[in-house]
Order: sequence, then C-alpha cells, then structure tokens
Amino acid sequence: AQSVTQPDIHITVSEGASLELRCNYSYGATPYLFWYVQSPGQGLQLLLKYFSGDTLVQGIKGFEAEFKRSQSSFNLRKPSVHWSDAAEYFCAVEGNNDMRFGAGTRLTVKP
Amino acid sequence: GAGVSQTPSNKVTEKGKYVELRCDPISGHTALYWYRQSLGQGPEFLIYFQGTGAADDSGLPNDRFFAVRPEGSVSTLKIQRTERGDSAVYLCASSLTKRSADTQYFGPGTRLTVL
Repeated sequence: AQSVTQPDIHITVSEGASLELRCNYSYGATPYLFWYVQSPGQGLQLLLKYFSGDTLVQGIKGFEAEFKRSQSSFNLRKPSVHWSDAAEYFCAVEGNNDMRFGAGTRLTVKP
Repeated sequence: GAGVSQTPSNKVTEKGKYVELRCDPISGHTALYWYRQSLGQGPEFLIYFQGTGAADDSGLPNDRFFAVRPEGSVSTLKIQRTERGDSAVYLCASSLTKRSADTQYFGPGTRLTVL
C-alpha cells in the first residue's frame, strides 16, 4: 500500500538559512506526491505536487521538491527560509481514493 | 472565491453524546473528503464522496461514524456515542473532480473535544 515517512519530527533553522525536509515514499509504481503546509488555525495548503515528467518541481512561496526514484524520496527544499515559513509540513502520496499523509515535520525559524 | 468552510470550528461534548460536523465545499466541486487528524499526526482518511454517494468509506473507524452529502454539496459527519478517543481535528477537503490533477482544497477543520 502507498505510504510516506517523514523522518524528522521537528527541525529548527535560522532565518535566511537553507531548508530541506525529508520524505520517503513506499509505492510500487510511479507515485503521485504532494507537499502541504499547515499553519496554526489554518487549513492545509498545497505547496507543490509531482505526477510525472521533470523530477524537480517548483511550488509556491519559493519551495521546490525533487523526486528521486532510486532513493524513494521527495524532499522539500527552500534556499532561504523566512520567519513566516514556520509551520507544520506534510508529505503525502495519493492512494486509491484518498491522500496518505506522513506524520509531519514541524519547522521552527530562529531570528 | 470562498474556500472550504467547516462549522463549528470547535466542539466540546461529553462522552456518549451525539455530534454533527458540517462541511461546505467549494462551489462546483464534485469530490469531497473527510479526514481526521490526531495530535502529532498527519490527517487520516475517513470517507470520500463523489456527488451524493459515498464512493469509499473504508476509513471510517467503526459504525458510530456516518457521513452524508444529500444534495451533492454540503456534507455532514455524524458521530454517535462519542468516546474520548474521538477527540481530534476533523478536516474536510474538496476537489473539482476525483482526478489526480485536481487539487484537494482543505478547510480549517473542526476541533472536537470529548470530555
């Protein structure tokens, strides 16, 4: 069955530093992969998605992610983090009729 | 335009009571999903509607949980004989169709607390 794992529960980075959030998937075929962000009191917002084609996907708010089949990974990156990026980030893979989410990575941004 | 809305935003109830949670999807969206998010976890699928029918209810944890979407727009998640373990944030999402290319838009959720 399709699933994703986010190995990091909590990450702290300094404002202006680069960011990489890890996501590993389990799926036999080519997966449909997503990254969502959830700020306190807000709904989940889609950052980017990968279906096929170019393995480097650009998203909103300056985020990008790279699909690596050999490593079963879909890591999220941002070259320079802003204080407003502090939130919970979820990786997800499409299931049969649903989205299957990882447990999330909480990002703290230090001034 | 308006996004997905959910009411109430917070619901506190006592063990054994009945609760209803409402979801208003984006107008015109035929697919509607309910998820449950426990503390420190990602959302977990409960049920998916295509139009008025529940196309997949495999995520409902037991028969105390039921959901309807009688006119193909608003949906209500109903929980009977609530238990403390039902405490969570209940999220609703909608998409234009069920196709993978159609983004699922999430509401802000209803935080349910069962005392």
